[in-house]
Amino acid sequence: GAGVSQSPSNKVTEKGKDVELRCDPISGHTALYWYRQSLGQGLEFLIYFQGNSAPDKSGLPSDRFSAERTGGSVSTLTIQRTQQEDSAVYLCASSRGGLAGRDEQYFGPGTRLTVT
Amino acid sequence: GQSLEQPSEVTAVEGAIVQINCTYQTSGFYGLSWYQQHDGGAPTFLSYNALDGLEETGRFSSFLSRSDSYGYLLLQELQMKDSASYFCAVRQTGANNLFFGTGTRLTVIP
Repeated sequence: GAGVSQSPSNKVTEKGKDVELRCDPISGHTALYWYRQSLGQGLEFLIYFQGNSAPDKSGLPSDRFSAERTGGSVSTLTIQRTQQEDSAVYLCASSRGGLAGRDEQYFGPGTRLTVT
Repeated sequence: GQSLEQPSEVTAVEGAIVQINCTYQTSGFYGLSWYQQHDGGAPTFLSYNALDGLEETGRFSSFLSRSDSYGYLLLQELQMKDSASYFCAVRQTGANNLFFGTGTRLTVIP
């Protein structure tokens, strides 16, 4: 079946502008994650959605970052008033959820955001 | 705090065996996962250790020792396509997300 898809694949924006990044998870996956990866670095957790539960926003770096997940499927990550330090690859992942331990996450190809 | 430390770079010869270590400082966690990421690509799941010991999946094996706060990924019969970055990751007890290690860039040379 189809994997996780993200759009756009690349986004160049001017400092101060708002951007929206989209994620389509694997059908049937109840858990959805957003991560951020700076060049040559590991993955930094941003936000987590599980079913209809309130999202875990503990990883969001500032109040300029927000995300929503509509109908338990598609998710949008919004960054307001972008700053140059927001430049990174934003990765979305989904999983079946509900497993305390092994919860294999399937990642999308990411959106490379460049703030000029 | 928590940390997962890995060597930043490893180079190995095609056909050889290489071990990528992951040492951690974290409170209770469910298990240790490993992900592979090729340049410009998405991370993909490789293996998971819930319990101490060795888990084998084809050419890849992963090991966990909770008493030593240590794990490793073992790649056998290295192929050029194994050149990639490898990340260990844990889900802390009560947490929703994976916490990823610093990553190891493996270069396989002829």
